[in-house]
Amino acid sequence: NAGVTQTPKFRVLKTGQSMTLLCAQDMNHEYMYWYRQDPGMGLRLIHYSVGEGTTAKGEVPDGYNVSRLKKQNFLLGLESAAPSQTSVYFCASIGTSGYNEQFFGPGTRLTVL
Amino acid sequence: AQSVTQLGSHVSVSEGALVLLRCNYSSSVPPYLFWYVQYPNQGLQLLLKYTSAATLVKGINGFEAEFKKSETSFHLTKPSAHMSDAAEYFCAVSDPSGTYKYIFGTGTRLKVLA
Repeated sequence: NAGVTQTPKFRVLKTGQSMTLLCAQDMNHEYMYWYRQDPGMGLRLIHYSVGEGTTAKGEVPDGYNVSRLKKQNFLLGLESAAPSQTSVYFCASIGTSGYNEQFFGPGTRLTVL
Repeated sequence: AQSVTQLGSHVSVSEGALVLLRCNYSSSVPPYLFWYVQYPNQGLQLLLKYTSAATLVKGINGFEAEFKKSETSFHLTKPSAHMSDAAEYFCAVSDPSGTYKYIFGTGTRLKVLA
């Protein structure tokens, strides 16, 4: 099992550019999450999904969109990147068989110039 | 609304000394609680979790935490720090809404001095 993988690992964008971050999990998990991590602020939830075809807003959803077309994949899109979106982005997933922990990907470090 | 407070954004201990990282939560219902560790340039890894069974929870790498409902605390401890424990530690509480969302604390960076 690869667990949770994220693509790409690093990216530099110019203000106004768009991009998509891909999260994939091979554990057949129902729930998936996108977080951003900023110094001194912990992890903040951007969007999450409770199943294929469903998404919901988290704590800081503005400027981001998501899609969950396949159960194993959760995409995070930035339509028009801003410097305030410079951050490290983590994807996580969790199964529903018992109250298990969230499994995290290795992260994507995004810099917006 | 639930919240998690981690006291001390930076903690330094000497190698071999006790590690104590503090976490307090606010929750209207008995929560599930977690401690995660993040090594540099890596994702988060579960250290231990409290899910209403034993109040003293043992985790990986010699860490343990005690759930104290009266103090709304879930402090993380390790009797003897090792250089390899240097990392950032996050406390998290589950959202009881059924969406399995977590609320994370702001993290505590542990430095271990030789």
